[in-house]
Amino acid sequence: SAVISQKPSRDICQRGTSLTIQCQVDSQVTMMFWYRQQPGQSLTLIATANQGSEATYESGFVIDKFPISRPNLTFSTLTVSNMSPEDSSIYLCSVGLANEQYFGPGTRLTVT
Amino acid sequence: DAKTTQPPSMDCAEGRAANLPCNHSTISGNEYVYWYRQIHSQGPQYIIHGLKNNETNEMASLIITEDRKSSTLILPHATLRDTAVYYCIVRAVGGNQFYFGTGTSLTVIP
Repeated sequence: SAVISQKPSRDICQRGTSLTIQCQVDSQVTMMFWYRQQPGQSLTLIATANQGSEATYESGFVIDKFPISRPNLTFSTLTVSNMSPEDSSIYLCSVGLANEQYFGPGTRLTVT
Repeated sequence: DAKTTQPPSMDCAEGRAANLPCNHSTISGNEYVYWYRQIHSQGPQYIIHGLKNNETNEMASLIITEDRKSSTLILPHATLRDTAVYYCIVRAVGGNQFYFGTGTSLTVIP
């Protein structure tokens, strides 16, 4: 299994600003994933982040809006850029190990 | 892309078995069926997965029909702490991404 922590746990930000969310894993993993969960909705995959390569984004998500870093096998960041109220969501990171995915607790973002 | 269909909500009496159905009629031979749940304000939690045989672990049982087009997650003795949204997901063997559908909101009633 894997233990995943995220920082910050929540934040309130003004529109037009950017927020960087950190994800730390307690073991080395190749694959990390970032999800968005809008209020009352299911999880939507934003991108897959493998160490040593560019992140792969899902349809509807672009690097300019959601730049991702993956500097090593235990850490990743997701930046939500030029935020608008529509970006208010929970952002979750997860890691793939064997046949399972383990999820962090999420970062609750409110944009005013 | 989500390939599953689940009822949006269900109720279950505490102590009774909760049977959560999932339709995955377009599943291919190399795709697993996974179940996760998300308790309010937490990240999703793995429950169980299977390919074609029925599976059981300490949390639940997974029953997959012979044609693999549907499955049922069984929580044998539901407790109030099992109140959550339950997601049924299909994922290719060797695949990495999980695509979540809309899930079933299970409420366990005292």
